[in-house]
Amino acid sequence: QVQLQESGPGLVKPSGTLSLTCALSGASISTNNWWTWVRQPPGKGLEWIGEIHHSGSTNYNPSLKSRVTISVDKSENQFSLKLSSMTAADTAVYYCARGSSSSKVYMDVWGKGTTVTVSS
Amino acid sequence: DIQMTQSPSTLSASVGDRVTITCRASQSIYYYLAWYQQKPGKAPNLLIYKASTLESGVPSRFSGSGSGTEFTLTISSLQPDDFATYYCQQYDSTSRTFGQGTKVEIK
Repeated sequence: QVQLQESGPGLVKPSGTLSLTCALSGASISTNNWWTWVRQPPGKGLEWIGEIHHSGSTNYNPSLKSRVTISVDKSENQFSLKLSSMTAADTAVYYCARGSSSSKVYMDVWGKGTTVTVSS
Repeated sequence: DIQMTQSPSTLSASVGDRVTITCRASQSIYYYLAWYQQKPGKAPNLLIYKASTLESGVPSRFSGSGSGTEFTLTISSLQPDDFATYYCQQYDSTSRTFGQGTKVEIK
């Protein structure tokens, strides 16, 4: 059974950089799937952040692209999100998810999410 | 970016009702549309992909239809477990986008 688990700091200072990791169990990150990050501000809808393939190919949300880096660590079977220049608007629940195995990516397995608050 | 617009934003219905949610894309996305269900405090759960393909384990009272720019999610007979928020997501573009969500409430 494929499971994903997000980890990282729950509190980030304004202008700081968020670093989150998604650990994968029950499957290899080197399959043909895409690995995705999605966030949800309090009381709001879902926002796609970006995705990575084990080959290193990435796609990012254009509105976040200048601040986002998604990377994969095959040795640890995990992938990561870095989001720089954090502001209060980045306060959200951050989810990692498994994307489908073609270039047309929907998300079929999700982590439980981790809450990130931006505050001094 | 492709904009996804769901209607209604909120829907009040009773157990046993037939419920339909609409999702419109700002340009054709062919059939590259997924539907998710989300309950409070939980991660989204995939219901349907490729506009009409039911994900394994999802009850058959859920169905999806449409292509191009207009899509629908139908729940044939609303059950107590179905009160939740539903999101559509397009994945034709490499910049994936979600609709704003439709909350299905108890009438």
